[in-house]
Amino acid sequence: QKEVEQDPGPLSVPEGAIVSLNCTYSNSAFQYFMWYRQYSRKGPELLMYTYSSGNKEDGRFTAQVDKSSKYISLFIRDSQPSDSATYLCAIRGANDYKLSFGAGTTVTVRA
Amino acid sequence: ETGVTQSPTHLIKTRGQQVTLRCSSQSGHNTVSWYQQALGQGPQFIFQYYREEENGRGNFPPRFSGLQFPNYSSELNVNALELDDSALYLCASSPGTGEAWGYTFGSGTRLTVV
Repeated sequence: QKEVEQDPGPLSVPEGAIVSLNCTYSNSAFQYFMWYRQYSRKGPELLMYTYSSGNKEDGRFTAQVDKSSKYISLFIRDSQPSDSATYLCAIRGANDYKLSFGAGTTVTVRA
Repeated sequence: ETGVTQSPTHLIKTRGQQVTLRCSSQSGHNTVSWYQQALGQGPQFIFQYYREEENGRGNFPPRFSGLQFPNYSSELNVNALELDDSALYLCASSPGTGEAWGYTFGSGTRLTVV
């Protein structure tokens, strides 16, 4: 079983739609939760991070963590064509030195 | 403040050859991690270097090795290349080993083994 599972999609939505992305993880020791965005031919860039259960908002982005279910989500409101990218969830334990990534979900926002 | 730079951007090697990839960390960052990202997959942790020593290693064979220099730049060396080594190799620097979200990734080196 992989440490982090993420539906690779692809996901195609019209401009203005809400994008919903999810990951599940197996290790309850994971404590830090991140979402990265990766454009084609680029490295991942950090989008959102949190370490507690609940919601965290940043502009059009909301990260949600449910530690009891080992489930994390990212919501993108009012999606734009510039949001078209691959979104990777990444998780880390408190005493870990590595990030464990999901496979990434490729999102296309159609104008 | 510069970000993380990696060189070369693309590379084609023959099976059995050796390759060296280079990474310059972001200013102020003393920790460097390397990740392998196969096509359609998420990055997989190879190893991390802190103060010129390997600080942790993922599930990669010994033919994957690295170095960190006093200026915190780093190299990834892969010996006896295999076709499955074809991937995007990402370098990430961070201000310390304890930073969970302080990682800055470079744009990667795309290695093709033929």
